[in-house]
Amino acid sequence: DAGVTQSPTHLIKTRGQQVTLRCSPKSGHDTVSWYQQALGQGPQFIFQYYEEEERQRGNFPDRFSGHQFPNYSSELNVNALLLGDSALYLCASSSPQGGYGYTFGSGTRLTVV
Amino acid sequence: AQSVTQPDIHITVSEGASLELRCNYSYGATPYLFWYVQSPGQGLQLLLKYFSGDTLVQGIKGFEAEFKRSQSSFNLRKPSVHWSDAAEYFCAVGESSSNTGKLIFGQGTTLQVKP
Repeated sequence: DAGVTQSPTHLIKTRGQQVTLRCSPKSGHDTVSWYQQALGQGPQFIFQYYEEEERQRGNFPDRFSGHQFPNYSSELNVNALLLGDSALYLCASSSPQGGYGYTFGSGTRLTVV
Repeated sequence: AQSVTQPDIHITVSEGASLELRCNYSYGATPYLFWYVQSPGQGLQLLLKYFSGDTLVQGIKGFEAEFKRSQSSFNLRKPSVHWSDAAEYFCAVGESSSNTGKLIFGQGTTLQVKP
Protein backbone atom coordinates (compact mmCIF):
# COMPACT_ATOMS: atom_id res chain seq x y z
CA ASP A 1 0.00 0.00 0.00
CA ALA A 2 1.69 3.20 -1.18
CA GLY A 3 1.97 5.96 1.34
CA VAL A 4 2.14 9.64 0.48
CA THR A 5 4.08 10.35 -2.70
CA GLN A 6 5.65 13.73 -3.38
CA SER A 7 7.36 14.98 -6.51
CA PRO A 8 9.89 16.12 -7.33
CA THR A 9 12.22 15.17 -4.48
CA HIS A 10 14.58 18.07 -5.12
CA LEU A 11 14.58 21.15 -7.26
CA ILE A 12 16.45 24.40 -7.65
CA LYS A 13 14.76 27.61 -8.72
CA THR A 14 15.81 31.21 -9.23
CA ARG A 15 14.40 34.13 -7.29
CA GLY A 16 11.24 35.46 -8.86
CA GLN A 17 10.34 32.19 -10.54
CA GLN A 18 7.28 30.08 -9.85
CA VAL A 19 7.22 26.47 -8.66
CA THR A 20 4.66 23.68 -8.45
CA LEU A 21 5.00 20.78 -6.04
CA ARG A 22 2.84 17.67 -6.21
CA CYS A 23 1.41 15.25 -3.70
CA SER A 24 -0.51 11.99 -4.01
CA PRO A 25 -2.19 11.02 -0.76
CA LYS A 26 -2.24 7.63 0.84
CA SER A 27 -4.93 5.32 -0.45
CA GLY A 28 -8.19 5.97 1.40
CA HIS A 29 -7.21 9.47 2.47
CA ASP A 30 -9.11 12.48 1.16
CA THR A 31 -7.53 15.38 3.04
CA VAL A 32 -4.17 16.90 2.17
CA SER A 33 -2.15 19.31 4.28
CA TRP A 34 1.05 21.10 3.32
CA TYR A 35 3.85 22.11 5.66
CA GLN A 36 7.03 24.12 5.19
CA GLN A 37 10.10 23.04 7.14
CA ALA A 38 12.99 25.48 7.09
CA LEU A 39 16.44 24.18 7.97
CA GLY A 40 16.72 23.54 11.69
CA GLN A 41 13.06 24.29 12.35
CA GLY A 42 9.89 22.36 12.91
CA PRO A 43 7.30 22.11 10.14
CA GLN A 44 4.91 25.03 9.77
CA PHE A 45 1.36 24.58 8.51
CA ILE A 46 0.67 26.20 5.15
CA PHE A 47 -2.86 25.04 4.30
CA GLN A 48 -5.20 22.07 4.11
CA TYR A 49 -7.44 20.90 1.30
CA TYR A 50 -10.60 18.82 1.56
CA GLU A 51 -13.24 18.24 -1.10
CA GLU A 52 -11.17 20.36 -3.50
CA GLU A 53 -11.40 23.42 -1.29
CA GLU A 54 -8.97 25.14 1.05
CA ARG A 55 -10.31 24.39 4.52
CA GLN A 56 -7.64 25.92 6.73
CA ARG A 57 -4.73 28.25 6.12
CA GLY A 58 -1.68 29.12 8.16
CA ASN A 59 0.19 32.40 8.25
CA PHE A 60 1.60 32.35 4.73
CA PRO A 61 1.30 35.04 2.04
CA ASP A 62 -0.93 34.74 -0.98
CA ARG A 63 2.11 33.78 -3.06
CA PHE A 64 1.42 30.32 -1.67
CA SER A 65 -1.59 28.71 -3.28
CA GLY A 66 -2.86 25.22 -3.76
CA HIS A 67 -5.25 22.97 -5.48
CA GLN A 68 -6.84 19.61 -4.88
CA PHE A 69 -8.03 17.40 -7.69
CA PRO A 70 -11.01 15.01 -7.77
CA ASN A 71 -8.66 12.07 -7.15
CA TYR A 72 -7.56 13.85 -3.91
CA SER A 73 -4.05 14.60 -5.17
CA SER A 74 -2.83 18.11 -4.53
CA GLU A 75 -0.48 20.78 -5.79
CA LEU A 76 1.32 23.54 -3.94
CA ASN A 77 2.21 26.60 -6.01
CA VAL A 78 4.60 29.31 -4.93
CA ASN A 79 4.92 32.48 -7.01
CA ALA A 80 7.64 35.12 -7.01
CA LEU A 81 10.06 32.90 -5.15
CA LEU A 82 12.22 34.43 -2.44
CA LEU A 83 15.45 33.09 -1.00
CA GLY A 84 13.54 32.52 2.24
CA ASP A 85 11.25 30.05 0.52
CA SER A 86 14.10 27.54 0.48
CA ALA A 87 12.86 24.68 2.63
CA LEU A 88 11.61 21.12 2.76
CA TYR A 89 7.94 21.03 1.80
CA LEU A 90 6.01 18.21 3.38
CA CYS A 91 2.66 16.86 2.36
CA ALA A 92 0.48 14.99 4.84
CA SER A 93 -2.70 13.12 4.08
CA SER A 94 -5.49 12.04 6.38
CA SER A 95 -9.18 11.30 6.49
CA PRO A 96 -11.88 12.64 8.83
CA GLN A 97 -12.44 9.12 10.07
CA GLY A 98 -8.77 8.66 10.79
CA GLY A 99 -8.62 10.67 13.99
CA TYR A 100 -5.47 12.69 13.34
CA GLY A 101 -4.00 9.77 11.48
CA TYR A 102 -1.68 11.86 9.37
CA THR A 103 0.74 10.17 6.98
CA PHE A 104 3.62 12.33 5.85
CA GLY A 105 5.50 12.14 2.59
CA SER A 106 9.28 12.39 2.37
CA GLY A 107 9.04 15.94 1.12
CA THR A 108 10.34 18.12 -1.69
CA ARG A 109 13.56 19.99 -1.01
CA LEU A 110 13.29 23.42 -2.69
CA THR A 111 16.38 25.58 -3.05
CA VAL A 112 15.97 29.14 -4.28
CA VAL A 113 19.12 30.80 -5.60
CA ALA B 1 -1.96 31.24 20.96
CA GLN B 2 -1.04 27.62 20.72
CA SER B 3 2.65 26.86 20.89
CA VAL B 4 5.10 24.05 21.54
CA THR B 5 8.51 24.42 23.12
CA GLN B 6 11.28 21.85 23.01
CA PRO B 7 13.92 23.29 25.34
CA ASP B 8 16.74 21.04 24.18
CA ILE B 9 17.97 21.66 20.66
CA HIS B 10 20.60 18.93 20.77
CA ILE B 11 21.04 15.93 23.08
CA THR B 12 23.78 13.32 23.09
CA VAL B 13 23.40 10.02 24.94
CA SER B 14 25.39 6.83 25.01
CA GLU B 15 23.95 3.72 23.44
CA GLY B 16 22.08 1.75 26.08
CA ALA B 17 21.46 4.79 28.26
CA SER B 18 18.00 6.12 29.04
CA LEU B 19 16.53 9.07 27.18
CA GLU B 20 14.09 11.84 28.00
CA LEU B 21 13.16 14.55 25.52
CA ARG B 22 11.23 17.49 26.90
CA CYS B 23 8.16 19.12 25.43
CA ASN B 24 6.04 21.93 26.84
CA TYR B 25 2.88 23.18 25.20
CA SER B 26 0.52 26.09 25.43
CA TYR B 27 -3.10 25.37 24.57
CA GLY B 28 -6.38 26.59 25.99
CA ALA B 29 -8.19 23.29 26.13
CA THR B 30 -7.17 19.67 26.48
CA PRO B 31 -4.71 19.24 23.64
CA TYR B 32 -4.05 16.44 21.25
CA LEU B 33 -0.31 15.73 21.58
CA PHE B 34 2.08 13.93 19.30
CA TRP B 35 5.70 12.90 18.98
CA TYR B 36 7.21 12.45 15.52
CA VAL B 37 10.66 11.30 14.44
CA GLN B 38 12.46 12.42 11.29
CA SER B 39 15.53 10.71 9.89
CA PRO B 40 17.77 12.68 7.50
CA GLY B 41 16.10 13.25 4.15
CA GLN B 42 12.90 11.59 5.31
CA GLY B 43 9.40 12.65 6.21
CA LEU B 44 7.88 12.45 9.66
CA GLN B 45 6.97 9.17 11.33
CA LEU B 46 4.48 9.12 14.19
CA LEU B 47 5.92 7.64 17.39
CA LEU B 48 2.87 8.08 19.62
CA LYS B 49 -0.09 10.30 20.35
CA TYR B 50 -2.24 11.34 23.29
CA PHE B 51 -5.88 12.30 23.02
CA SER B 52 -7.37 11.41 26.38
CA GLY B 53 -7.42 8.73 29.06
CA ASP B 54 -4.31 7.15 30.51
CA THR B 55 -1.64 9.84 30.73
CA LEU B 56 1.16 7.37 29.98
CA VAL B 57 1.09 6.36 26.34
CA GLN B 58 3.11 3.72 24.62
CA GLY B 59 4.41 4.11 21.11
CA ILE B 60 6.47 2.35 18.53
CA LYS B 61 10.17 1.49 18.82
CA GLY B 62 9.96 1.24 22.61
CA PHE B 63 9.11 4.89 23.20
CA GLU B 64 6.62 6.19 25.74
CA ALA B 65 5.41 9.63 26.76
CA GLU B 66 3.65 11.02 29.80
CA PHE B 67 1.08 13.81 29.70
CA LYS B 68 1.24 16.08 32.75
CA ARG B 69 -1.51 18.68 32.62
CA SER B 70 -0.23 20.56 35.69
CA GLN B 71 3.14 21.10 34.01
CA SER B 72 1.83 21.47 30.45
CA SER B 73 4.35 18.84 29.46
CA PHE B 74 4.47 15.77 27.27
CA ASN B 75 7.97 14.33 27.64
CA LEU B 76 9.20 11.43 25.53
CA ARG B 77 11.18 8.63 27.14
CA LYS B 78 13.01 5.47 26.21
CA PRO B 79 14.72 3.20 28.75
CA SER B 80 17.58 2.10 26.51
CA VAL B 81 18.64 3.98 23.39
CA HIS B 82 19.85 2.22 20.25
CA TRP B 83 22.21 3.74 17.68
CA SER B 84 19.35 3.69 15.17
CA ASP B 85 17.41 6.15 17.34
CA ALA B 86 19.68 8.99 16.23
CA ALA B 87 17.33 11.40 14.45
CA GLU B 88 15.34 14.61 14.85
CA TYR B 89 12.38 14.45 17.22
CA PHE B 90 9.40 16.76 17.06
CA CYS B 91 6.65 17.34 19.56
CA ALA B 92 3.37 18.69 18.17
CA VAL B 93 -0.02 19.82 19.38
CA GLY B 94 -3.23 19.47 17.40
CA GLU B 95 -6.48 21.31 17.72
CA SER B 96 -8.82 19.19 19.81
CA SER B 97 -11.87 20.75 18.19
CA SER B 98 -11.21 18.78 15.04
CA ASN B 99 -9.54 15.50 14.32
CA THR B 100 -8.04 16.80 11.12
CA GLY B 101 -6.87 20.18 12.32
CA LYS B 102 -3.45 21.61 11.77
CA LEU B 103 -0.48 20.48 13.80
CA ILE B 104 1.77 22.98 15.55
CA PHE B 105 5.31 21.68 15.90
CA GLY B 106 8.14 22.49 18.23
CA GLN B 107 11.56 23.40 16.92
CA GLY B 108 12.79 19.85 17.31
CA THR B 109 15.49 18.06 19.28
CA THR B 110 18.40 16.41 17.52
CA LEU B 111 19.42 13.18 19.19
CA GLN B 112 22.96 11.93 18.78
CA VAL B 113 23.84 8.46 20.07
CA LYS B 114 27.42 7.68 21.09
CA PRO B 115 28.66 4.11 20.68
